Amino acid sequence: EADIYQTPRYLVIGTGKKITLECSQTMGHDKMYWYQQDPGMELHLIHYSYGVNSTEKGDLSSESTVSRIRTEHFPLTLESARPSHTSQYLCASRGGMPYGYTFGSGTRLTVV
Amino acid sequence: AQSVTQLGSHVSVSEGALVLLRCNYSSSVPPYLFWYVQYPNQGLQLLLKYTTGATLVKGINGFEAEFKKSETSFHLTKPSAHMSDAAEYFCAVSAPSGNQFYFGTGTSLTVIP
Repeated sequence: EADIYQTPRYLVIGTGKKITLECSQTMGHDKMYWYQQDPGMELHLIHYSYGVNSTEKGDLSSESTVSRIRTEHFPLTLESARPSHTSQYLCASRGGMPYGYTFGSGTRLTVV
Repeated sequence: AQSVTQLGSHVSVSEGALVLLRCNYSSSVPPYLFWYVQYPNQGLQLLLKYTTGATLVKGINGFEAEFKKSETSFHLTKPSAHMSDAAEYFCAVSAPSGNQFYFGTGTSLTVIP
């Protein structure tokens, strides 16, 4: 069944560590997105991609980076994690309109 | 440009009572509108969407929403709340030709037994 997968689901790491959050989708969608979700629920777009080798920064400034080497894979990397990066990170993809986003289950990151 | 306003960050209803979650949008073009639900420690799941045609749309779990252009609204309703409806609900808008969605700030629904 087509779906979108995020790993890990939960991650606790120390300050200064480099981490990569994985996101993969099996639907062949060109458009993929990363959102950061505050504890108060609001979603903030931090990165998006409209296809291979295409990445853009979103509305919320983020110290993370992304890459899109393959259609199905859109990983997010933090070179040096800080406590301020503690949040939930949601990956989503979308086919053409009028279809909505399909979301992964999220990665809950805690930096101590 | 598109934007979404969800009135009421927290809504509480009794089990069996009507659920009404409010969403107003701003869009320079006829919008596509969506409601998503998020259960604890999960991603967002599509409840229903309006694109064109019938303005009353039905979704999963007994929810429905009505697109009212004159009021720029897309409120989510359910006649009888169930305990399992307790979750976060997000309204989103997109232009038909747009690549991005614009989400509201979310409404947390509590169902009281």
